[in-house]
Amino acid sequence: AAGVIQSPRHLIKEKRETATLKCYPIPRHDTVYWYQQGPGQDPQFLISFYEKMQSDKGSIPDRFSAQQFSDYHSELNMSSLELGDSALYFCASSFYLGLAGGQGVDEQFFGPGTRLTVL
Amino acid sequence: GNSVTQMEGPVTLSEEAFLTINCTYTATGYPSLFWYVQYPGEGLQLLLKATKADDKGSNKGFEATYRKETTSFHLEKGSVQVSDSAVYFCALSSTDSWGKLQFGAGTQVVVTP
Repeated sequence: AAGVIQSPRHLIKEKRETATLKCYPIPRHDTVYWYQQGPGQDPQFLISFYEKMQSDKGSIPDRFSAQQFSDYHSELNMSSLELGDSALYFCASSFYLGLAGGQGVDEQFFGPGTRLTVL
Repeated sequence: GNSVTQMEGPVTLSEEAFLTINCTYTATGYPSLFWYVQYPGEGLQLLLKATKADDKGSNKGFEATYRKETTSFHLEKGSVQVSDSAVYFCALSSTDSWGKLQFGAGTQVVVTP
C-alpha cells in the first residue's frame, strides 16, 4: 500500500539559510500534519491543513511557513535557520471523517521523516 | 489543555517477560487514544488505538484498554521479544481539534536475549 512520502530524507544547512521540506500524503487523504521531533524528545505538533486550508496551528515559529497544494502535497518552508531547528520533521496524513457524531479525523499515517541538521 | 503522561524509561526486560507501560491523560471532550512505536532511525508506526471508553486496542500481542474512570491507557504485552525494543509513545487526539496528536514523552524499551 502507498505510504506517506517525504523528501528529502536528510538535509544539512548552515545557520541563517532556508530549507524546504516536502510531503506527499497517501492518495485520497485530505489532511496533512507536520510534527517536529528534537533529539530524545516526543514529536511536537507544528501545523495542519485540510483541503488546502490551514486547520490548526501549534508551536510553529514565525520563521516557518507551510501550505498544502491542489494535489494535496504539502511543503514546510523554514527560513533563518537556527541550530535549534535541527530535528526530525515528520509529516502525517489522514482522512477527515467530519465532526458529526464526534468522528473527527481517521488515524494518522506518518512518513519516514526528514532529518534536518543545521550547522 | 490536553496532556499525556507516561512512565519514564528506559525499561529493560528479558525476552519473554511481561511488559507494562503506564499512560494517563488529561483532555477535554472525548479523546481518541493511541500507542505509536518508533524503532531506531525510523518513523512512527501506529501500534493500536481506541476511540471510546472501554474499547480495547490490540495488535501484534500488545493490548491497551481505554479507561475513562482512571483516564488511563496502559500498554501491555505478555511475552516480549528482542524485536520489540523501541520507543513507545502514548498519544491522544481530541474530537474538538482537527486531529492533531498530543504525545507523551516516550518510553524506551530494551529487551535483552
